[in-house]
Amino acid sequence: GQQVMQIPQYQHVQEGEDFTTYCNSSTTLSNIQWYKQRPGGHPVFLIQLVKSGEVKKQKRLTFQFGEAKKNSSLHITATQTTDVGTYFCASPAPSNTGKLIFGQGTTLQVKP
Amino acid sequence: EPEVTQTPSHQVTQMGQEVILRCVPISNHLYFYWYRQILGQKVEFLVSFYNNEISEKSEIFDDQFSVERPDGSNFTLKIRSTKLEDSAMYFCASSPTVGGYGYTFGSGTRLTVV
Repeated sequence: GQQVMQIPQYQHVQEGEDFTTYCNSSTTLSNIQWYKQRPGGHPVFLIQLVKSGEVKKQKRLTFQFGEAKKNSSLHITATQTTDVGTYFCASPAPSNTGKLIFGQGTTLQVKP
Repeated sequence: EPEVTQTPSHQVTQMGQEVILRCVPISNHLYFYWYRQILGQKVEFLVSFYNNEISEKSEIFDDQFSVERPDGSNFTLKIRSTKLEDSAMYFCASSPTVGGYGYTFGSGTRLTVV
């Protein structure tokens, strides 16, 4: 079935450095969603990308969807301690029942 | 901002006991879900629910699991006879449509089976 692979699993950065996490699938995705989970918290929806090659920005966060709609990335510029958490990509399963398939997540630690 | 509410926040139960996890989805959402997350791992789909019936369930969601929307407001997950490996964080989520919008997750119930 459809799988979404996400790398890296962990990333430690110094405050002010940039951070990027990547998601890849062997199959074409209808859309890709990104969620942030703070330590001890629940997934919080950040954004959805639908179109091939789409790029969206939210302040210091830049989200991209690949031309083939098989990969996506989240880039954070000049990280802050408030960016700490686990970032998950997720995509709806082809069954169209609302099932979301999550990547393994990238846990970001930011050293002040 | 509308929220998905889950109770209890933490439940400790003896192996073999039944537990019911409760959720109040966002009122105008039509699709409801349960996910679980074992500590430090990814979020795993359990079941999706629409129009008072299960749309899809994962292989994790075996005969020990059931869901119900008893009163048009609450959405419950029942585990009939808990096992040690059921210990996890259980998240309820809801969405207005299928896959077209981001999902709103509740704050979760941490289930510990001892």
